[in-house]
Amino acid sequence: EAQVTQNPRYLITVTGKKLTVTCSQNMNHEYMSWYRQDPGLGLRQIYYSMNVEVTDKGDVPEGYKVSRKEKRNFPLILESPSPNQTSLYFCASSLVAGGLYQETQYFGPGTRLLVL
Amino acid sequence: GENVEQHPSTLSVQEGDSAVIKCTYSDSASNYFPWYKQELGKRPQLIIDIRSNVGEKKDQRIAVTLNKTAKHFSLHITETQPEDSAVYFCAASLDSYKLIFGSGTRLLVRP
Repeated sequence: EAQVTQNPRYLITVTGKKLTVTCSQNMNHEYMSWYRQDPGLGLRQIYYSMNVEVTDKGDVPEGYKVSRKEKRNFPLILESPSPNQTSLYFCASSLVAGGLYQETQYFGPGTRLLVL
Repeated sequence: GENVEQHPSTLSVQEGDSAVIKCTYSDSASNYFPWYKQELGKRPQLIIDIRSNVGEKKDQRIAVTLNKTAKHFSLHITETQPEDSAVYFCAASLDSYKLIFGSGTRLLVRP
């Protein structure tokens, strides 16, 4: 089944304790992206990747890191989480990047993070 | 950068009535406008999209219209049903890398 998966789905952690949220897609998509969703703010893009080893900042990259060593995986790293990073996080992927138009993005199930 | 504003934030309609959600964008170079539906506790899913070379697109009970001059686009849902109740997000993109979302509209369809 074609899908985007994320792990963990729920996470409670404490300030400053490094964590990684994994994202994986089995659709051979070139493009992957991370968003955070907060009430009243919609979805805001954190980082995106056009292909292996190619990543760039979205609108809210502060406090986050990403890597794209393999086409299927795009982990989100919080080196020193803070309470303002408490949010619902979504990973998404689409077939290609670099064309004239954005391609349809397929979202993962989401990861709910609470930083105490 | 691009900015997308979405109205209303909440919308309540009677089953069978139509619902309209409106979005405006700031960058005239934006060329792709998708709409996503997010049911409670679920992931956003694309329901319809439109590119800047088209003024209107329909898919059964849903349609999207685009006015490039005014820089706004709208989602129209006809003959609403209770299963249409969800949060709807509009978005705009001016390249193939970044997608800017509106703040969302919570639609409630009353039986």
